[in-house]
Amino acid sequence: DAGVTQSPTHLIKTRGQHVTLRCSPISGHKSVSWYQQVLGQGPQFIFQYYEKEERGRGNFPDRFSARQFPNYSSELNVNALLLGDSALYLCASSLIADTRTDTQYFGPGTRLTVL
Amino acid sequence: SQQGEEDPQALSIQEGENATMNCSYKTSINNLQWYRQNSGRGLVHLILIRSNEREKHSGRLRVTLDTSKKSSSLLITASRAADTASYFCGGADGLTFGKGTHLIIQP
Repeated sequence: DAGVTQSPTHLIKTRGQHVTLRCSPISGHKSVSWYQQVLGQGPQFIFQYYEKEERGRGNFPDRFSARQFPNYSSELNVNALLLGDSALYLCASSLIADTRTDTQYFGPGTRLTVL
Repeated sequence: SQQGEEDPQALSIQEGENATMNCSYKTSINNLQWYRQNSGRGLVHLILIRSNEREKHSGRLRVTLDTSKKSSSLLITASRAADTASYFCGGADGLTFGKGTHLIIQP
């Protein structure tokens, strides 16, 4: 079975632009979480979606938004890009919403560079 | 904070030696999970230890959990060059991570 997939792999944008990142979870997984990882830091939680509903939100500005589709794939949108948004964006899927008890499976990430 | 904090921040050892890294957390947990991340890639789940377990093994990995001290350790035995990576423990909510331990195995 395919693991979590993310697209694109790399992306270069300029300040002020908008970006959409995509994630397809493992088949059968209904929960998708998004993380931002700046170089040298651990992943920072952005959003969790389960059954198309937002289940959790990290400490990120409103420029960040996401949604989950009926097939459980997900998009992360970032508006008005800043240089500080340059990072590796990771998507993770799990069977259930309770990440305290269920294992998350991570995709390879999208490397976003903002110039 | 539900975040796990890994220690040390960096560790460099010779191939074949054992590597030990630690994780401390502040809130009570149901489980604690360890992940590995190779440079610039996604996290790979290594092992989950439940709050009622004290030790768990998986291949060359050994994880211990001390709920009274709110700490866990990950031991990698007989290290290999391929073990070079960053290692993270998942926080109590499963969504928060520390800065990780960057492990370098020197040939």
